[in-house]
Amino acid sequence: DTGVSQDPRHKITKRGQNVTFRCDPISEHNRLYWYRQTLGQGPEFLTYFQNEAQLEKSRLLSDRFSAERPKGSFSTLEIQRTEQGDSAMYLCASSRGGPGARSYEQYFGPGTRLTVT
Amino acid sequence: KQEVTQIPAALSVPEGENLVLNCSFTDSAIYNLQWFRQDPGKGLTSLLLIQSSQREQTSGRLNASLDKSSGRSTLYIAASQPGDSATYLCAVYGNNRKLIWGLGTSLAVNP
Repeated sequence: DTGVSQDPRHKITKRGQNVTFRCDPISEHNRLYWYRQTLGQGPEFLTYFQNEAQLEKSRLLSDRFSAERPKGSFSTLEIQRTEQGDSAMYLCASSRGGPGARSYEQYFGPGTRLTVT
Repeated sequence: KQEVTQIPAALSVPEGENLVLNCSFTDSAIYNLQWFRQDPGKGLTSLLLIQSSQREQTSGRLNASLDKSSGRSTLYIAASQPGDSATYLCAVYGNNRKLIWGLGTSLAVNP
């Protein structure tokens, strides 16, 4: 169990550029979540996958945002035409999904900090 | 709609004090509740997970309690140390097991 990893850890981009982040979950976890956290706020749910299926998207996820999880393993989060308001920490978490109260416990990666200039 | 509130927003204490951080939630139909620690500019470290059927969990100097009927959880930190300085976040597991978060309590423990 190597934990959840995210890449890159930091990204600085100019307004209008596209960016893509990657998340590698814990290998036996079939659920993967994306959250966004702005300065001084708690994280906010963006979307989640069970295996390769994207089962829920927040209204926060505008049409500039797209997430994929091909083959139910790693996931990517792409932001097109970035805006300064997209500057935030993007957090990924994974969990098992199934019987048992602890089976949904989420394990978080270190996050990707995005700065849009 | 589930809402999570944390009080106080900020707390400053001298080293060695015992302290309590509070978390309340509006919908008692939660699955589990989890406390996290976040250092400035860093990711999240899980501290304690309380299952919906449990009333408390302990890890070292930390003790978290859960009262679903009143919609409350507390995180008790014994004998606080400067290294405990961080933001503490409370999150509840809601529909689809996604986490719903409070804004956090920023703790400063002064030597």
